[in-house]
Amino acid sequence: GAGVSQSPSNKVTEKGKDVELRCDPISGHTALYWYRQSLGQGLEFLIYFQGNSAPDKSGLPSDRFSAERTGGSVSTLTIQRTQQEDSAVYLCASSLAVAVRELFFGEGSRLTVL
Amino acid sequence: DQQVKQNSPSLSVQEGRISILNCDYTNSMFDYFLWYKKYPAEGPTFLISISSIKDKNEDGRFTVFLNKSAKHLSLHIVPSQPGDSAVYFCAAKVTNDYKLSFGAGTTVTVRA
Repeated sequence: GAGVSQSPSNKVTEKGKDVELRCDPISGHTALYWYRQSLGQGLEFLIYFQGNSAPDKSGLPSDRFSAERTGGSVSTLTIQRTQQEDSAVYLCASSLAVAVRELFFGEGSRLTVL
Repeated sequence: DQQVKQNSPSLSVQEGRISILNCDYTNSMFDYFLWYKKYPAEGPTFLISISSIKDKNEDGRFTVFLNKSAKHLSLHIVPSQPGDSAVYFCAAKVTNDYKLSFGAGTTVTVRA
């Protein structure tokens, strides 16, 4: 499709399990971002990619979180040993380049950790 | 550290009247500001933006005002329509930086 695509749209998991969230950016967009929105909070920056490299991982909440991007396209955000505080909507966005002002967001992946 | 703050979590307005959404920021390095609109189960979509060299930007029914000395911006929607009911996020960045900082959002409900 023409927009940013994320999967799954909803994921319910048990505490301690690993989850993978996938993002397929707009074709040709070199920059890719992961944000999350916890209940009642704003969008919290997690990580961004320029091509396949992630220059800034400082937004990742803990070492249980990791992300990769392959082929300058699809990105996967992995959360290991999930905790209840990981419950949130995880939003992926892409842009033509890193410093471009406007981001295009996907619909998000809602993660619920029981 | 919340650098962008939207202190009103919700706003209810009658159809046809003006909606005014407020946003404050703390980082004086921010020089570009955006508003995003989000419907349920959809991602945020870009609505309008303003550079720090301006104090007003208008696009149809939407106008954003920037007061740099007060580190404050606002979004005016005139007239408000039922389709405007959504969550509105204020965002800010430093030009050539990669990161957008977002506020917590304001939920607007337009009553018929």
